[in-house]
Amino acid sequence: GAGVSQSPRYKVAKRGQDVALRCDPISGHVSLFWYQQALGQGPEFLTYFQNEAQLDKSGLPSDRFFAERPEGSVSTLKIQRTQQEDSAVYLCASSLARSFYGYTFGSGTRLTVV
Amino acid sequence: SQQGEEDPQALSIQEGENATMNCSYKTSINNLQWYRQNSGRGLVHLILIRSNEREKHSGRLRVTLDTSKKSSSLLITASRAADTASYFCATDGEYGNKLVFGAGTILRVKS
Repeated sequence: GAGVSQSPRYKVAKRGQDVALRCDPISGHVSLFWYQQALGQGPEFLTYFQNEAQLDKSGLPSDRFFAERPEGSVSTLKIQRTQQEDSAVYLCASSLARSFYGYTFGSGTRLTVV
Repeated sequence: SQQGEEDPQALSIQEGENATMNCSYKTSINNLQWYRQNSGRGLVHLILIRSNEREKHSGRLRVTLDTSKKSSSLLITASRAADTASYFCATDGEYGNKLVFGAGTILRVKS
């Protein structure tokens, strides 16, 4: 597609509920990144895929967070047993190759845990 | 944790004036990038400067990089109301495999 598409745009979850956030990267982009952005802060790195391989998941805050990209294209970020501190905007970005080119970001999913 | 630190945290100027934002970082880098984020939207890539470059221009944007001081500046000339946004610098860190963002500068351009 022309850009990075994320869905849903907004998600309200009750505490303890599981959520799944979807990212459709630009076709042909090898690298895919997930970031978490709290209100008034810069994006914080969560995890990175090169094709289907998850090469870095050092930013995932707990084992409740899980990401996958099984066919090297669409990616899903799953959060189990959501907590209030998980409330944030989750941004997906894709790139031709690592950080040597600019990233193209999606509009994000705003998650609110109540 | 975030590597970059932007300065100032917030900046308010009149339309037509120039806006300068600064960024400092901690580790060695391959490149440094600047992004803009409008309220409630994703980030838009503005410009990338490689570690062996000292200055780069793109339209009304001018970026400088001083690797000895581990700092960069973004200058927006002849600002417009539409430039109102948050601006983030991002570095690719020591291993070049992911971007690390600063906390950003909120720019407000008054018409």
